[in-house]
Amino acid sequence: DIQMTQSPSSLSASVGDRVTITCRASQGIGNDLVWYQQTPGKAPKRLIYAASSFQSGVPLRFSGSGSGTDFSLTISSLQPEDSATYYCLQISSFPPTFGQGTKVEIK
Amino acid sequence: EVHLVESGGGLVKPGGSLRLSCTASGLILSNNWMSWVRQAPGKGPEWVGRIKSKADGGAVDYAAPVKGRFTISRDDSKNTLYLQMKSLKSEDTAVYYCTQVEDWGQGTTVTVSS
Repeated sequence: DIQMTQSPSSLSASVGDRVTITCRASQGIGNDLVWYQQTPGKAPKRLIYAASSFQSGVPLRFSGSGSGTDFSLTISSLQPEDSATYYCLQISSFPPTFGQGTKVEIK
Repeated sequence: EVHLVESGGGLVKPGGSLRLSCTASGLILSNNWMSWVRQAPGKGPEWVGRIKSKADGGAVDYAAPVKGRFTISRDDSKNTLYLQMKSLKSEDTAVYYCTQVEDWGQGTTVTVSS
């Protein structure tokens, strides 16, 4: 199975800060990477697909980049409603595998 | 708008069985690769298995922890996805979601406990 190593596991930042979460795959996955946001008690919500494609309806402060083994999700200006856990997911090979998650808290 | 609704969760004893359903609207399940994903309390999501679209042959794949115990199927006439679970273990306790990666249901909770 492809291992997805996500970092950091948690972070605390202020409103307006630029925040970056990274995900590293144990082998190349092209751009077959998805980013999700999950709040407590809710299903994951897709933010980014194909590593850098914007999901319709998602604020443009969320962006994704990377290919191969190294990927990142950036929130350009953190907002209070962005408090959540973020997961990356590789869908290049079965089984799809998630990163461990990054919990984002607002200071 | 796509709407996925899971049902069938509940409390079951170790070794027991349960069948989950996922009913779709706004989406034809047979045209999509549909998956079941679970999330244990306080943990990240974990892929359980998937069924390919009809056009891609409808093959089913399972994650190692559930292979041989779980079965994914689809009833195209009802536009419903199923997850038949048997020989349940405590480690199968989780919220179970159906998804085609973009859209997710609200999940149904399965608790395996004596």
